[in-house]
Amino acid sequence: DGGITQSPKYLFRKEGQNVTLSCEQNLNHDAMYWYRQDPGQGLRLIYYSQIVNDFQKGDIAEGYSVSREKKESFPLTVTSAQKNPTAFYLCASSIPGAGEVYGYTFGSGTRLTVV
Amino acid sequence: AQKITQTQPGMFVQEKEAVTLDCTYDTSDPSYGLFWYKQPSSGEMIFLIYQGSYDQQNATEGRYSLNFQKARKSANLVISASQLGDSAMYFCAMREPSSARQLTFGSGTQLTVLP
Repeated sequence: DGGITQSPKYLFRKEGQNVTLSCEQNLNHDAMYWYRQDPGQGLRLIYYSQIVNDFQKGDIAEGYSVSREKKESFPLTVTSAQKNPTAFYLCASSIPGAGEVYGYTFGSGTRLTVV
Repeated sequence: AQKITQTQPGMFVQEKEAVTLDCTYDTSDPSYGLFWYKQPSSGEMIFLIYQGSYDQQNATEGRYSLNFQKARKSANLVISASQLGDSAMYFCAMREPSSARQLTFGSGTQLTVLP
């Protein structure tokens, strides 16, 4: 079955460490997205990519980095510059340029905690 | 200005009754899409229903219907015959060309179905 796989489900980071969250999709979608969700709040866009080897900053990109070397993969690195990284991270994909009809397919999320 | 506003942080409904979750939006694009997602405590985002700005009729999907009032810029979700499994966070979202077709989310409504 097609879908998006995020790993790990839970991740613990020490102060000053970089960590990388994995997101893989087999839906053949061109566009991929990373969102951050804080408790009781909505989703905020971190980075998005409409095509391989290209990505754009979202609303809260500071302290994060991404790469898009393959269509299927869009890993997110939370760097030590991100001062408050404890949150739930959701990856999504969609068909770009297909009008407004298509929503997103989401992964099951990674819960990151700073220890 | 908020693009998507959900004014009900929490709602309670008795099992088997209907409930309406409010959503208002702000856009100057003539073409846009409106979405509702459900997020249970596990964290996954589940697509529920879609309404296009040019759709003449309100969208329906099983027990979910969308009360679309274009002039008022509102897109309320109606859940009929509530079930205990409907207890979750519900997000309204919008996709519009002027935002590079990113999905913009509201802050969500936590729905609790009472037995």
